[in-house]
Amino acid sequence: SQQGEEDPQALSIQEGENATMNCSYKTSINNLQWYRQNSGRGLVHLILIRSNEREKHSGRLRVTLDTSKKSSSLLITASRAADTASYFCATDAYSGGGADGLTFGKGTHLIIQP
Amino acid sequence: EPEVTQTPSHQVTQMGQEVILRCVPISNHLYFYWYRQILGQKVEFLVSFYNNEISEKSEIFDDQFSVERPDGSNFTLKIRSTKLEDSAMYFCASSEGGRGRGYTFGSGTRLTVV
Repeated sequence: SQQGEEDPQALSIQEGENATMNCSYKTSINNLQWYRQNSGRGLVHLILIRSNEREKHSGRLRVTLDTSKKSSSLLITASRAADTASYFCATDAYSGGGADGLTFGKGTHLIIQP
Repeated sequence: EPEVTQTPSHQVTQMGQEVILRCVPISNHLYFYWYRQILGQKVEFLVSFYNNEISEKSEIFDDQFSVERPDGSNFTLKIRSTKLEDSAMYFCASSEGGRGRGYTFGSGTRLTVV
């Protein structure tokens, strides 16, 4: 798999249920970030987890990071119709001395059925 | 909340023409980026810019691309001679820089080369 590979590619759940998306990556990272993209719109930064962190919460979002398995998960609890969007993980391999770019996965398209 | 502003939102150009995509990053941010997303594909890193020079660029960012910060607020991406395969959504982003910093993305410019 490529750096920042999410699964599933698509997920459809009922409103109120929890949604879990996974991301795997290949190289060492400094942090991993999750973004949301509504159809045809820009990327919205959701949450960032550093390589020395294992879990982070922000509102209804919970992110975990397992650097030994090079994987991360994003959990959205009590989903709402407005959560319908594509979700991307992006890895930051910032190496110091410069501004390295993020490497994005292909994303998980989440559909919340009302 | 501070925003990254991109103009135009949509640009149609003929193959071989030059285009300039414009961005106004967040004022106190130090690092600026351009990414692109071809329809249905991953978001891809193009270039990062810091201290008035290119910090890093990807293989995509060849000689037909250039970036400039002509004044204290604007950050531009120029494509000298557009090709059909340059059709994509182009996103500008900025960050404060350093480890553990998320990026703020603009809403994007949809470039269509005909």
